Amino acid sequence: DAGVTQSPTHLIKTRGQQVTLRCSPKSGHDTVSWYQQALGQGPQFIFQYYEEEERQRGNFPDRFSGHQFPNYSSELNVNALLLGDSALYLCASSFQGNIQYFGAGTRLSVL
Amino acid sequence: AQSVSQHNHHVILSEAASLELGCNYSYGGTVNLFWYVQYPGQHLQLLLKYFSGDPLVKGIKGFEAEFIKSKFSFNLRKPSVQWSDTAEYFCAVNAGDSNYQLIWGAGTKLIIKP
Repeated sequence: DAGVTQSPTHLIKTRGQQVTLRCSPKSGHDTVSWYQQALGQGPQFIFQYYEEEERQRGNFPDRFSGHQFPNYSSELNVNALLLGDSALYLCASSFQGNIQYFGAGTRLSVL
Repeated sequence: AQSVSQHNHHVILSEAASLELGCNYSYGGTVNLFWYVQYPGQHLQLLLKYFSGDPLVKGIKGFEAEFIKSKFSFNLRKPSVQWSDTAEYFCAVNAGDSNYQLIWGAGTKLIIKP
């Protein structure tokens, strides 16, 4: 049984570019949450998707957007990248928003 | 705003020592509480959780945590640590009904000396 899978594992972009990160949830899960984890800090909630809609959003600008597909997989898009967007981006899946299980993350570096 | 505080950023212990990691949160209503662990090179894993009922919860690998509502605390304990417990430990809170986000502490890096 595959757990939560994220791709790519590492990504290097330059300021102003756009990036798309992908997440496949654990089998049987229908909800995907995205978090940003800066070095030395705990994760910060970006948003959660359920039934293909954004159900809740954290304190992140509109440059951060997402999507959930009918197979429950999800994408996180970040536009107009800033140096401060460099972080580990974590995807977590759950069944109807309960206990969240995490993927290994995508390390984004913005130069 | 809701917040989670973990008192120690770094803890160094010898094998067989007892462990207690502090976690306090700021929210007066119903909460769900979690401890996650991240072993070196691995992803975050759920260690234990509290939703309701017995405030003393047991998790994997001999860990336990006690929810003290009056102190807004959810401290993690283990009576005797092993070298393999070296990891980063995160406390997280899900606060309130229809609130799906986890609010996280900054983490505690635990190093166990063999």
